[in-house]
Amino acid sequence: QQPVQSPQAVILREGEDAVINCSSSKALYSVHWYRQKHGEAPVFLMILLKGGEQKGHDKISASFNEKKQQSSLYLTASQLSYSGTYFCGTRGGSNYKLTFGKGTLLTVNP
Amino acid sequence: EPEVTQTPSHQVTQMGQEVILRCVPISNHLYFYWYRQILGQKVEFLVSFYNNEISEKSEIFDDQFSVERPDGSNFTLKIRSTKLEDSAMYFCASSSRGAGDTEAFFGQGTRLTVV
Repeated sequence: QQPVQSPQAVILREGEDAVINCSSSKALYSVHWYRQKHGEAPVFLMILLKGGEQKGHDKISASFNEKKQQSSLYLTASQLSYSGTYFCGTRGGSNYKLTFGKGTLLTVNP
Repeated sequence: EPEVTQTPSHQVTQMGQEVILRCVPISNHLYFYWYRQILGQKVEFLVSFYNNEISEKSEIFDDQFSVERPDGSNFTLKIRSTKLEDSAMYFCASSSRGAGDTEAFFGQGTRLTVV
């Protein structure tokens, strides 16, 4: 079952913050975050494996609330290069496949 | 930096024709995947492949689809009789371990247009 992402789209001015949420009705083994720019392949951002885990690099970070079966991606002080569609991919405990959400289109304007 | 490469970048085919999409995964990776993305929509899982066999497939991956690792480096997706609705971007991906444990690296994709 595919994860649900919210919001579907967000528009920011450079320097503003954003949060993208990803939730699932089933227990999650891991959550993967990818960013895709128009016409390009998805690019891996980070993976969270354990409940309560938080990760980040630069000004992009994420948390994984295993009990709530939810993950959030935090973009701080957004840059123009952050523009793109962000997908969360989730995996249950018994399969290899990643099931992606519908994506969140992030637009950062000057 | 190692990368997944896909050929061709764009393929146009007539409905009913067979197409083969090719991928060269990262050399030391063991798990291979095909995903597709219809224009403007989400990335959808098609199939995963490990140890020379399909480990998992989605409902989309019906009898008209097949995958093969014909040699030590290539990984192919064959669509036997293409339909208009097969038009999409097809991404190959690979990972060193099962996708749940580590990142999957995606190729740049093959845009398939069925006319």
